[in-house]
Amino acid sequence: DAKTTQPPSMDCAEGRAANLPCNHSTISGNEYVYWYRQIHSQGPQYIIHGLKNNETNEMASLIITEDRKSSTLILPHATLRDTAVYYCISPPRSGAGSYQLTFGKGTKLSVIP
Amino acid sequence: GAVVSQHPSWVICKSGTSVKIECRSLDFQATTMFWYRQFPKQSLMLMATSNEGSKATYEQGVEKDKFLINHASLTLSTLTVTSAHPEDSSFYICSARVPVGSDEQYFGPGTRLTVT
Repeated sequence: DAKTTQPPSMDCAEGRAANLPCNHSTISGNEYVYWYRQIHSQGPQYIIHGLKNNETNEMASLIITEDRKSSTLILPHATLRDTAVYYCISPPRSGAGSYQLTFGKGTKLSVIP
Repeated sequence: GAVVSQHPSWVICKSGTSVKIECRSLDFQATTMFWYRQFPKQSLMLMATSNEGSKATYEQGVEKDKFLINHASLTLSTLTVTSAHPEDSSFYICSARVPVGSDEQYFGPGTRLTVT
């Protein structure tokens, strides 16, 4: 699976957009980028995923660069409830460990009032 | 979105006893479920992959005789921690993969195990 790199922490003012970057320079052509978040003492929550086109859903937007080596998760209007650890993951699509999610350290987003 | 439940949400047991944790996909069938463990201030670590009707595949370093996994139906997987020790105290989380239309996984709320 593609190795992903994220900043360890970020702060965001409540009501502003939170932009969380992720580098995945070794991603293969058929590997998706998935974003999950984990609020303290809860199971991770699926946010969004994409392959090469930008994606948007009710939770967030995902912007993937044209070369697919990096992406940005955007929470358009961050609230205090968005404080969590955000994980960017790109699981392998075939072979051993296919579809397995490997959780790194993620980015701890703190939304500040 | 797809819903995954876990039971119990927390459990306290004595050393040497066994504890069973259930993971259910409530509104979809999951041919593949995953079990993770998370120690305080650490990230999730995959323990095993559970496929319905077949033996689980364990990650390196996870004792299959200690962590028994059964995936007897398309909506239920169980993890039994046998002969529990205090070092098994952790947050256990399951996930279920949605096999049709997309590959995202949905996670249960987790089970906090404390072994005294």
